Amino acid sequence: GDSVTQMEGPVTLSEEAFLTINCTYTATGYPSLFWYVQYPGEGLQLLLKATKADDKGSNKGFEATYRKETTSFHLEKGSVQVSDSAVYFCALIPSGGSNYKLTFGKGTLLTVNP
Amino acid sequence: DGGITQSPKYLFRKEGQNVTLSCEQNLNHDAMYWYRQDPGQGLRLIYYSQIVNDFQKGDIAEGYSVSREKKESFPLTVTSAQKNPTAFYLCASSIGRGGSTDTQYFGPGTRLTVL
Repeated sequence: GDSVTQMEGPVTLSEEAFLTINCTYTATGYPSLFWYVQYPGEGLQLLLKATKADDKGSNKGFEATYRKETTSFHLEKGSVQVSDSAVYFCALIPSGGSNYKLTFGKGTLLTVNP
Repeated sequence: DGGITQSPKYLFRKEGQNVTLSCEQNLNHDAMYWYRQDPGQGLRLIYYSQIVNDFQKGDIAEGYSVSREKKESFPLTVTSAQKNPTAFYLCASSIGRGGSTDTQYFGPGTRLTVL
């Protein structure tokens, strides 16, 4: 079945450091890929998405590129801030018009220190 | 403002009691979803509904029930049959086309604790 594997956390960085959170997936066809962010005590917010190979999703300085050849969707940010401290989830939804199920990774906790 | 509201934010239940979690959306979305989140885990799908008066089981539906009488509302009941109900519950909605272009948007969540 479909699956998403994220790098295990926690990840601790200093402010202005470069961030990479690895995400790889297993799915048939061409799924859509998502990054969601969850701030403490809150629900999930969509951070960015990509719906086809080589697409780059970007938002708030975060980027991720859909790499079909390596089945990856790594999240990057050039300079993190304390306010970026949160849990980040990689997720996919399979291709096919009748499929509604989002499959999530286990999440990666990011802590950014001043 | 359009969005998804969940209430209450915190809920406490005694063992053996049923409890209902509310989820309302004013995004005019056809599809709605319930997920469960446990510490250190991703989200797991409990139930989803693509249209009013219809819903399907997700991966962990045992011990839960839902209804979809209105497009805007998708309440989740956690029954006494659910063996380990303490968790964070998240409701989501999407336009409802299904497939890879159907982005899901989430509410703020309800934290349920069984005493």
